[in-house]
Amino acid sequence: DGGITQSPKYLFRKEGQNVTLSCEQNLNHDAMYWYRQDPGQGLRLIYYSQIVNDFQKGDIAEGYSVSREKKESFPLTVTSAQKNPTAFYLCASRGLSRYEQYFGPGTRLTVT
Amino acid sequence: AQTVTQSQPEMSVQEAETVTLSCTYDTSESNYYLFWYKQPPSRQMILVIRQEAYKQQNATENRFSVNFQKAAKSFSLKISDSQLGDTAMYFCAFMIPGANSKLTFGKGITLSVRP
Repeated sequence: DGGITQSPKYLFRKEGQNVTLSCEQNLNHDAMYWYRQDPGQGLRLIYYSQIVNDFQKGDIAEGYSVSREKKESFPLTVTSAQKNPTAFYLCASRGLSRYEQYFGPGTRLTVT
Repeated sequence: AQTVTQSQPEMSVQEAETVTLSCTYDTSESNYYLFWYKQPPSRQMILVIRQEAYKQQNATENRFSVNFQKAAKSFSLKISDSQLGDTAMYFCAFMIPGANSKLTFGKGITLSVRP
């Protein structure tokens, strides 16, 4: 089955530690996106990538980093510089000939 | 900058009845796409329906349809014959096709379907 996987589903970290969230897709989509969701707010774009080895900052990129070494993978690192990292993180992908984005199941990150 | 507004934070509907969720947006662009996404308690985001701004005909997907009013910049979602499985958060989203095609989301509305 084609789809987007995110792991782990729940992640707990101590303050001051970097943590990497995984996102893998087997849809052969070129574009991939990372969003953050907080209670009472819609999704906000962190980073996106249209092609391997290229990515751009979204609206709230500070304290985050990404890489795109393979078409299928777009991991997100939440660094210690991110002031409020506790949130629900969603990864999405899109084929370049289409405009709708498809989402993974998300990762709930809790930092204490 | 584009903005999407969903002014109703919560709504409730009786099973089998019809409900309409409101969404307005602001843009100076003429070519764009609009979407409704559903997020059930599992938190998986599911695409419900999409509308291309250049199409005058309102999109329909089974029990879901939209009322797209381009001049008023309004994009409401109608759910007919509501089912318990429709209970979820619903997000309206806007996109301008181009280099990044990023989605701009509203804050969402929580819909509860009562048995």
